Amino acid sequence: QTVVTQEPSLTVSPGGTVTLTCASSTGAVTSGYYPNWFQQKPGQAPRALIYSTSKKHSWTPARFSGSLLGGKAALTLSGVQPEDEAEYYCLLYYGGARVFGGGTKLTVL
Amino acid sequence: QVQLVQSGSELKEPGASVKVSCKASGYTFTDFAMNWVRQAPGQGLEWMGWINTSTGNPTYAQGFTGRFVFSLDTSVSTAYLQISSLKAEDTAVYYCARGVLSGVVIIRYDYWGQGTLVTVSS
Repeated sequence: QTVVTQEPSLTVSPGGTVTLTCASSTGAVTSGYYPNWFQQKPGQAPRALIYSTSKKHSWTPARFSGSLLGGKAALTLSGVQPEDEAEYYCLLYYGGARVFGGGTKLTVL
Repeated sequence: QVQLVQSGSELKEPGASVKVSCKASGYTFTDFAMNWVRQAPGQGLEWMGWINTSTGNPTYAQGFTGRFVFSLDTSVSTAYLQISSLKAEDTAVYYCARGVLSGVVIIRYDYWGQGTLVTVSS
């Protein structure tokens, strides 16, 4: 059973920078896992932010960026805004299967 | 503009079946894959699988075989998720999400439906 692990919760101050990570139980995450990142606010459907590690959708704010960091996929928010408070999920590709991480609850305080 | 509109909430008894629809508009339906994602109350997202809207071939994630069926009606640009022999643990919000294929790999999941709450209770 493949497990994708994210930080359960993180707190950041408005205007600050925070990095969320996404690790695979199978080993280092590479671009071949096609990491995707999603934001979900309470009562709403998920919203796509990043695909293929670092590519942004047309609606993705510039302060969001994706990368590979220390064998993990990473989502960095620079200049955090109060509206960025949400749950963030990564999704990895495993040769036919896809697995979501457990999610990171980001608090802006 | 691209839209995925799902059918409304359902309340079903254990053992019954339910069929959730996801109607697409604003793009050529068969040019993109359709994924299904489950979210149990207070829990995270689970990828259930996807269906190739061009060939009709479904792929099911581990844990979603047997009682779960993905289907299409391309004439009305609609994807369906049917769940049979419902159990209390099937209570969840079910989302459809459009997938962009690169070869045989979905690299991007861009537009999502609003979600359909299925409640299983006697």
